[in-house]
Amino acid sequence: DADVTQTPRNRITKTGKRIMLECSQTKGHDRMYWYRQDPGLGLRLIYYSFDVKDINKGEISDGYSVSRQAQAKFSLSLESAIPNQTALYFCATSDQGAFDLANTGELFFGEGSRLTVL
Amino acid sequence: AQKITQTQPGMFVQEKEAVTLDCTYDTSDPSYGLFWYKQPSSGEMIFLIYQGSYDQQNATEGRYSLNFQKARKSANLVISASQLGDSAMYFCAMREGPYSSASKIIFGSGTRLSIRP
Repeated sequence: DADVTQTPRNRITKTGKRIMLECSQTKGHDRMYWYRQDPGLGLRLIYYSFDVKDINKGEISDGYSVSRQAQAKFSLSLESAIPNQTALYFCATSDQGAFDLANTGELFFGEGSRLTVL
Repeated sequence: AQKITQTQPGMFVQEKEAVTLDCTYDTSDPSYGLFWYKQPSSGEMIFLIYQGSYDQQNATEGRYSLNFQKARKSANLVISASQLGDSAMYFCAMREGPYSSASKIIFGSGTRLSIRP
């Protein structure tokens, strides 16, 4: 089983519908992130969370909301989906590891959720 | 403000040649980390290499090395002896602040590398 699991992997929906993308992880990491990937734009940060009580907006948070239900779960919601939210969405985690000099703080990614809004 | 720039949207390289993928960054924080990720056509994100701003030596991982020029704020990825399996999208990313800090990680727009047989 993957360490970072995203559901659904693929979703087609209509404009105006509410959509939730879920992410769960078994890595025990405190930090979780949501990114969206668009061709030519790379990955852009939507929201990030450093613990259950700490949630921060990223570069492109408008139109999105998140919920950190537990250390292991971080959900992304589109309250009213629009076509320009069609993208590949990635959840990622990283380890704070304050006293581990070998820790680079790299991101561990889920497999992605491809969302199409018609 | 934290910023990552990859100026090469696409590159073609002959198999077995070395290739350099460019990445420049901007930050006012003296402590930061730089990452490179590979995304093959299957879509997963694969971590390749990391460079800390205070690391004395350029990072290396097998055929990957990072040409870190701090004064120029560049962190180019060098792939030696390229292989067909190296064909993929490559992303440069940066964390502003030490890894123990509450700082986000942002990405560049990526470079699509294609290896010719």
